[in-house]
Order: sequence, then structure tokens, then C-alpha cells
Amino acid sequence: KAGVTQTPRYLIKTRGQQVTLSCSPISGHRSVSWYQQTPGQGLQFLFEYFSETQRNKGNFPGRFSGRQFSNSRSEMNVSTLELGDSALYLCASSLDPGTGGYEQYFGPGTRLTVT
Amino acid sequence: DQQVKQNSPSLSVQEGRISILNCDYTNSMFDYFLWYKKYPAEGPTFLISISSIKDKNEDGRFTVFLNKSAKHLSLHIVPSQPGDSAVYFCAASSAGGTSYGKLTFGQGTILTVHP
Repeated sequence: KAGVTQTPRYLIKTRGQQVTLSCSPISGHRSVSWYQQTPGQGLQFLFEYFSETQRNKGNFPGRFSGRQFSNSRSEMNVSTLELGDSALYLCASSLDPGTGGYEQYFGPGTRLTVT
Repeated sequence: DQQVKQNSPSLSVQEGRISILNCDYTNSMFDYFLWYKKYPAEGPTFLISISSIKDKNEDGRFTVFLNKSAKHLSLHIVPSQPGDSAVYFCAASSAGGTSYGKLTFGQGTILTVHP
């Protein structure tokens, strides 16, 4: 089975721009979670989608948003980029945490650099 | 507030010996715990998990122990191999509600296994 894929792998953007990152989950996985990893804050939960619905959201500003499509693929968007948004953005998929599928499988991440 | 803590930033062991990585948590609602291994510029790789109804789970060279009363878990790797050198993250989850799809991670422990 193919793993979680994320595109692009690397991005360089300028302050004030917006960015869209894409994630394709493992086939059959319906839950997609997004995380931000920075040296100072570690791995922080952004949000989770299941059946095209956001079920949970972490403590991030509204500039961070996402969506999920009917094929479970997900995108996240960051608007009005700030220098502090530079991070590794990780997507993870799982069967359904609500029914005990807690194991999340991560993609390789998208390294975003904001200049 | 850091609900999952890995108090040892780094651990160095000799090849063939046991590696013990520790993790403490404060949230009594956590009922599922996971360990991940991460190499630089890659996403975390799932290693092993344990439900709060158990106190031990084994998978090959990896064993996770859970002490609920102490809110402590540990990962034992026996025997340690140089290829095990990576950052190890402890993560915790709770069932349903506002916790859907959310893993709370510790800060990680850098394991170095010397040949």
C-alpha cells in the first residue's frame, strides 16, 4: 500500500503571500490530521478532517485553514504568511480515531520557508 | 502547558545494549499512547502503541510499558542497533469528543547508538 504523500516537499514564500499544501492519505484512511513542527514548539496539532468535515482544531489563528475532498485528499491553506510560519508541515492519516484507529501514519512533510 | 513530557533530550547507548526512553503525561483523559521515530527531513514513523487497559505491549525489539498510576510510559529497545539512531517521540490521544484526530506529542529524545 502506498504511504501518505505530500506536495510540494519544499516551498519558499514571501511574507504576506498565501500557500496551499496538499496531502493524499493512505488508501482506505478517512481521517486526515495536520501538524506543524518547529524547533521551539515541537509538533503541534493544527486540525483534523473526516468525511469532508473538520472535527477538531488546534490553537492556531484563523489564517490556517483546511479542507477535505470526497476522496479523502486534504489541503491546508495559510494566508498572509508570517516569518513565524516557517516550519515543517506534516499530514497524517488514520482509519478513524473515533472508532479506535488511533495510529496515525505520517507523510514526509512540506518544508515551508517564509522570507 | 505541556501535557506530554520527555525529560531527556538525548540518550547515548552502545550497540547491543538496551535503550530506555521515558515519557510522562499529566492529562488523565489520555487513553492511548504511541511511539514514533523520526529522521531529519522525514515524517515520523509509527513504531508501537499501547492502550490504557494494558501495561505492556511488545513488537519485536520494541516493548512499551505503561504505568497509569504514575502517568509514565517507557519504550525499551533490545538490542539497540546503530540504525535506531533517530529522534523518538512519545504521543498521547484520548477517545472522541474534542480530541478527534489529535495526538499530543512530547518534545522528543535524540537516541544515538554507537557501534
